[in-house]
Amino acid sequence: KNEVEQSPQNLTAQEGEFITINCSYSVGISALHWLQQHPGGGIVSLFMLSSGKKKHGRLIATINIQEKHSSLHITASHPRDSAVYICAVWLGGSEKLVFGKGTKLTVNP
Amino acid sequence: EPEVTQTPSHQVTQMGQEVILRCVPISNHLYFYWYRQILGQKVEFLVSFYNNEISEKSEIFDDQFSVERPDGSNFTLKIRSTKLEDSAMYFCASSVGPGQGVTYEQYFGPGTRLTVT
Repeated sequence: KNEVEQSPQNLTAQEGEFITINCSYSVGISALHWLQQHPGGGIVSLFMLSSGKKKHGRLIATINIQEKHSSLHITASHPRDSAVYICAVWLGGSEKLVFGKGTKLTVNP
Repeated sequence: EPEVTQTPSHQVTQMGQEVILRCVPISNHLYFYWYRQILGQKVEFLVSFYNNEISEKSEIFDDQFSVERPDGSNFTLKIRSTKLEDSAMYFCASSVGPGQGVTYEQYFGPGTRLTVT
């Protein structure tokens, strides 16, 4: 069983739509990363959070430690948001990130 | 803004050859990592490195792999005798502080695509 599960695997939206990507994990963690991977392959860190909510521009990330669940929201989506969004967790007592399989988002104009 | 850099961006090598992938972490960072992503699969942790030694490694990181910080700025991943299954994108990352207890954000390099033929 994967320690980090993301849903959906693929998501297609129209420009302007509100997007939600979900991440559930089954292990104790010290923090959670949301990452963005563009078609060229490079990985960019969007958020790191261990509680509550963070906002950066049109992106909002929330985490519920008790329910072992996090969500990434994109408001007013744009075609340039098209990418793979990856959830990764720091395991408690470990130094490694464990990654989900990613959610491929396509935003059509 | 400081960034992690990696060279080369693409490396093609023959099976059995040694390859060295290079990374320059952000200058005030103390923790360094290598990850790999086989095409179409998720990113996997290989190794973390702190204070000039490996602090944690995965089961993937066997005797064929080694890491080194040869000169205080570069951080390298060596694969001694490459196999076809080593073909993947390799990402270097760095963070400012320790990974246990207090958690610091990791910054990723652009990756090196390794193709073993």
